[in-house]
Amino acid sequence: EDQVTQSPEALRLQEGESSSLNCSYTVSGLRGLFWYRQDPGKGPEFLFTLYSAGEEKEKERLKATLTKKESFLHITAPKPEDSATYLCAVDKLSFGAGTTVTVRA
Amino acid sequence: EAQVTQNPRYLITVTGKKLTVTCSQNMNHEYMSWYRQDPGLGLRQIYYSMNVEVTDKGDVPEGYKVSRKEKRNFPLILESPSPNQTSLYFCASRGTSTDTQYFGPGTRLTVL
Repeated sequence: EDQVTQSPEALRLQEGESSSLNCSYTVSGLRGLFWYRQDPGKGPEFLFTLYSAGEEKEKERLKATLTKKESFLHITAPKPEDSATYLCAVDKLSFGAGTTVTVRA
Repeated sequence: EAQVTQNPRYLITVTGKKLTVTCSQNMNHEYMSWYRQDPGLGLRQIYYSMNVEVTDKGDVPEGYKVSRKEKRNFPLILESPSPNQTSLYFCASRGTSTDTQYFGPGTRLTVL
């Protein structure tokens, strides 16, 4: 059975303080790892798809990386508007519980 | 504007009273699915549909029904809701040529 574990559950950052979120997974034959952003009261919004170990993707202050066992979402010099819950999922079906990021000005 | 819409957005009901949550997408997507989101558990898939008249169970299908009579619509039916179905529900869709899944705004359901 696919399992996805995200850590930490919550992350409080000062504006400009870079950090990383972790997504560990166990799946037989990964077909894709997905990152989403979810704002309060809204549905998840697609960010990235990673398909193979070593792959990296970037969007503004966010950078996602993938190894054979985990993925990291790096937030560089975050701003308050980066505050959200970040979800990862494997193969479109199994989601982690998310990491809630709060960035203080 | 490409979007997935859900109705109602909020619903409070009582145990056993049948209800339907509608979902519609305007992107001509083949694939649609329903998720529930509960604190600490993340998103769990209830049902999905690969195309019209093709549906299958996800991870937590018990107590739910779906239908896909038209490509754009994918309603979620609770024949006899129970309090453990109190949750936040999301509908999602994607095309077959992309991995990008679009989510609706969510329906917050409370069953008393």
